[in-house]
Amino acid sequence: EADIYQTPRYLVIGTGKKITLECSQTMGHDKMYWYQQDPGMELHLIHYSYGVNSTEKGDLSSESTVSRIRTEHFPLTLESARPSHTSQYLCASSEGEIGPLHFGNGTRLTVT
Amino acid sequence: AQRVTQPEKLLSVFKGAPVELKCNYSYSGSPELFWYVQYSRQRLQLLLRHISRESIKGFTADLNKGETSFHLKKPFAQEEDSAMYYCASSGGSYIPTFGRGTSLIVHP
Repeated sequence: EADIYQTPRYLVIGTGKKITLECSQTMGHDKMYWYQQDPGMELHLIHYSYGVNSTEKGDLSSESTVSRIRTEHFPLTLESARPSHTSQYLCASSEGEIGPLHFGNGTRLTVT
Repeated sequence: AQRVTQPEKLLSVFKGAPVELKCNYSYSGSPELFWYVQYSRQRLQLLLRHISRESIKGFTADLNKGETSFHLKKPFAQEEDSAMYYCASSGGSYIPTFGRGTSLIVHP
């Protein structure tokens, strides 16, 4: 079934560790996004991609990096996790110029 | 940078009452506007978008360019409408900007 998948769903990790949040979609969408969401707050755009080998920083880069080597895969990496990175991370994809976003289930990250 | 404002963090109504969730945007051109909904323990999903002019689950939203608003309305709220609602705007860059969300609680 065409969908967008995020792993892991939950992650607890110590300060200073390097982590990668996985996101894959099987809908063939060109555009992909990473948003950060704290409870009761708006979604903040961290990174986005218009297609393979295209990545841009959003309003809140949060010291993270992304890569887009394949259309379906858009992982987010934190080189050195900090407690301030504790949040929910949402991956999304869309097609066309103004297509609606399709979201994954999110990864809830806790950095201790 | 464009902004999307949802002034109410929480909206609490009784079943059968009318509902209006407010959304104002700052983009000066003609943005694409969306409402997304997140039910308990489900992922964020599209509810409706301005361009399609559809009514989804009894909800409608009208664009008012003069007031730069895109309020979401439903004449008779149902308990299953209880959820988190996000307004989003895609301005010139076509990258969606989200509001902070409004939690709608519909009491029986």
